[in-house]
Amino acid sequence: TQLLEQSPQFLSIQEGENLTVYCNSSSVFSSLQWYRQEPGEGPVLLVTVVTGGEVKKLKRLTFQFGDARKDSSLHITAAQPGDTGLYLCAGLNYGGSQGNLIFGKGTKLSVKP
Amino acid sequence: NAGVTQTPKFQVLKTGQSMTLQCAQDMNHEYMSWYRQDPGMGLRLIHYSVGAGITDQGEVPNGYNVSRSTTEDFPLRLLSAAPSQTSVYFCASLALEGRLFFGEGSRLTVL
Repeated sequence: TQLLEQSPQFLSIQEGENLTVYCNSSSVFSSLQWYRQEPGEGPVLLVTVVTGGEVKKLKRLTFQFGDARKDSSLHITAAQPGDTGLYLCAGLNYGGSQGNLIFGKGTKLSVKP
Repeated sequence: NAGVTQTPKFQVLKTGQSMTLQCAQDMNHEYMSWYRQDPGMGLRLIHYSVGAGITDQGEVPNGYNVSRSTTEDFPLRLLSAAPSQTSVYFCASLALEGRLFFGEGSRLTVL
């Protein structure tokens, strides 16, 4: 069974701090996605990374796909209370059905004003 | 633009009761799926469908049935609910670019 390990599981920081969330696996994925989920809602896609070594930026969020396509990181610069939520990484297997993503257990981020 | 709509949002069942969670999408997506989300377990795939008339099992299919008679609808049936099925259930559909659109979730409690 392929697993995606996310760390840390919980993160509580002050507004303005920087943080990095990690998503690691021993398996190779054809692509990896990051979602954010707010309480009472479904996950919403933030980004998809496809190429090994790829870096994508979304305002203060920077996403990186590892060279070997086994891991990814999400870095948030100058976190704001609006960044609070559950961050999920999800990997797509080679040869798997396009929608059958494997999700990590998530990182619950709390940004205090 | 409704996206993915799930009903009901909340449901309480007794052990052994049956029920159906409804899911509808208005984006003409071929692929639809059901996940359950449990604390410390993340999102786990229950069943999925790559098009009308086609369904398949995911990681945790036991105790659940699905059907896909139309492109729009993908109901999830619990035939005999068990406390282990207490969870939050999410329906999702897949856009061509590989993005999953999720519903708002259905919180189910089985007593």
